Amino acid sequence: AQSVTQPDIHITVSEGASLELRCNYSYGATPYLFWYVQSPGQGLQLLLKYFSGDTLVQGIKGFEAEFKRSQSSFNLRKPSVHWSDAAEYFCAVGRQTGANNLFFGTGTRLTVIP
Amino acid sequence: DTGVSQDPRHKITKRGQNVTFRCDPISEHNRLYWYRQTLGQGPEFLTYFQNEAQLEKSRLLSDRFSAERPKGSFSTLEIQRTEQGDSAMYLCASSTRLNEKLFFGSGTQLSVL
Repeated sequence: AQSVTQPDIHITVSEGASLELRCNYSYGATPYLFWYVQSPGQGLQLLLKYFSGDTLVQGIKGFEAEFKRSQSSFNLRKPSVHWSDAAEYFCAVGRQTGANNLFFGTGTRLTVIP
Repeated sequence: DTGVSQDPRHKITKRGQNVTFRCDPISEHNRLYWYRQTLGQGPEFLTYFQNEAQLEKSRLLSDRFSAERPKGSFSTLEIQRTEQGDSAMYLCASSTRLNEKLFFGSGTQLSVL
């Protein structure tokens, strides 16, 4: 069965600092991996996804993530955080066959301080 | 592209009442998903349609929950005899084909008193 662990419930960073949000997954085959962002009152927005190929994927808003099969990880990074990045971030794993339903982690809330 | 639309945005109901939520997916999207999100948790998959066919419903939380997509366009999610534990955000998403990205609506926030 698929599962996703986001070990950090809440992270606070200073504006301009670098950011890394952790995500570990459990899945019996090659997973499809996603990062979504959710701002208050907004729907979930896809930041980036990994299906295959290059293990370093680039997303929107300057985010990137690296798939490490040996560590079952898909950590999200950004070199310089902006105040507008404050939001809830969700990592998700999807199956390659059947329904396209995603299994989400519990999320990491990012606070950005001036 | 007007995005995924959900109605209502908020619903307050008394325990034991039935509620129905509506989702209008992006027009050319044939796949539609319902998720539930409770406070402090990530979205939890409930059910999935491809066109009008409900292809996976094993994750619906109980037989009080049902979903329809009669013409392969909009969908409704009904909860009968609501309980306080049903209080959550109900999210709808749509996509064009397998493993394309999901576009989420803003959700319907249900509060059961």
